Amino acid sequence: GDSVTQMEGPVTLSEEAFLTINCTYTATGYPSLFWYVQYPGEGLQLLLKATKADDKGSNKGFEATYRKETTSFHLEKGSVQVSDSAVYFCALSSTGGFKTIFGAGTRLFVKA
Amino acid sequence: SAVISQKPSRDICQRGTSLTIQCQVDSQVTMMFWYRQQPGQSLTLIATANQGSEATYESGFVIDKFPISRPNLTFSTLTVSNMSPEDSSIYLCSVASGQGSYGYTFGSGTRLTVV
Repeated sequence: GDSVTQMEGPVTLSEEAFLTINCTYTATGYPSLFWYVQYPGEGLQLLLKATKADDKGSNKGFEATYRKETTSFHLEKGSVQVSDSAVYFCALSSTGGFKTIFGAGTRLFVKA
Repeated sequence: SAVISQKPSRDICQRGTSLTIQCQVDSQVTMMFWYRQQPGQSLTLIATANQGSEATYESGFVIDKFPISRPNLTFSTLTVSNMSPEDSSIYLCSVASGQGSYGYTFGSGTRLTVV
């Protein structure tokens, strides 16, 4: 079945460092891919999405490119801030479906 | 995208009791989804709730333990019945933002602690 694998955390970075959180997926067809963010004590928020190969999703300085050849959707940000400290979830939604499969989540700590 | 109001935001309950969680959406939606997020874990889909029909439960979840109501297109409830400490989790409701390819909107979650 469909699955999402993302790098284990926690990831600890200093402010202004470069961030990469790896995400790979297994799915039939052409899924849509998402990154969600969960700030402490809050629910999930959609951070960015990509619906087809080579699409780049971006929001709040975060980017991720849908790479079908490597089945990956890595999250990147050029310069992280303390306020980016949160748990990040990679997710997919299969073609024509409503069910979302989530990765295990990666906790990010950014130090001032 | 839709706005979801979920309550209560948190509760501490005695084992053996039940808690009902409510989700109100500001627009009509066909399907609502209920998730559980156990401490330090990812989200697991409990069930999908359609208006006018019984909810569809995922493997490992049963209606007797997690009864769901969906009386109209903007509202749903999830009850956690006969609670035990293992039910301590965050429970979230969710709706699709258009078709599934557009992502999902989540409620702010209910943090449940069973003592």
